[in-house]
Amino acid sequence: EVQLVQSGAEVKKPGESLKISCKGSGYSFTSYWIGWVRQMPGKGLEWMGIIYPGDSDTRYSPSFQGQVTISADKSISTAYLQWSSLKASDTAMYYCAKTWSSSSLDAFDIWGQGTMVTVSS
Amino acid sequence: QSALTQPASVSGSPGQSITISCTGTSSDVGGYNYVSWYQQHPGKAPKLMIYEVSNRPSGVSNRFSGSKSGNTASLTISGLQAEDEADYYCSSYTSSSSHVVFGGGTKLTVL
Repeated sequence: EVQLVQSGAEVKKPGESLKISCKGSGYSFTSYWIGWVRQMPGKGLEWMGIIYPGDSDTRYSPSFQGQVTISADKSISTAYLQWSSLKASDTAMYYCAKTWSSSSLDAFDIWGQGTMVTVSS
Repeated sequence: QSALTQPASVSGSPGQSITISCTGTSSDVGGYNYVSWYQQHPGKAPKLMIYEVSNRPSGVSNRFSGSKSGNTASLTISGLQAEDEADYYCSSYTSSSSHVVFGGGTKLTVL
């Protein structure tokens, strides 16, 4: 079974750093893009960025460029999303998802269960 | 403000058909056949319903169909069922910075 399993919920203070993870299984992890999507409470989906674990090619939405870092460790089939200094406005559910095709980054066919990040003093 | 424009809400009765629009520009929806549609039930992860404008992934009901005309893509759901009540999001590849943008989402209510 193809699946993405994300790390658990996090509660952090403003200014703290954080790295959440997304482990893929049941498919060739290095052959498909893995993206990250933010959903703030009660709001819509926002495409943050994407990485191709095979060669670490990474693209960011202009809205998130410089705000987060996306990385992957193909040896353990895991992608990461990290912040160096969290803000209260980073409070949201974060989903990872894999693309349906190895050659395009447009559609996500498998999604993780989501990681809720709460940033509060 | 989302890059792609969707109606905030649509509604229909069981058995009817509804269409959700997704309007972009020539730099995204109009320029590429890389439009996708997702269904999201409350508290759940999104589910891919349509990719590349009109293709259905395996397991998605043929009651869901997608199309595109110019800068506007559409998702049509025929034979509405209670379980179709959910939020629907479109997305498109955009040549601006080579990334993907989502629409603001549409809440479908089955009356």
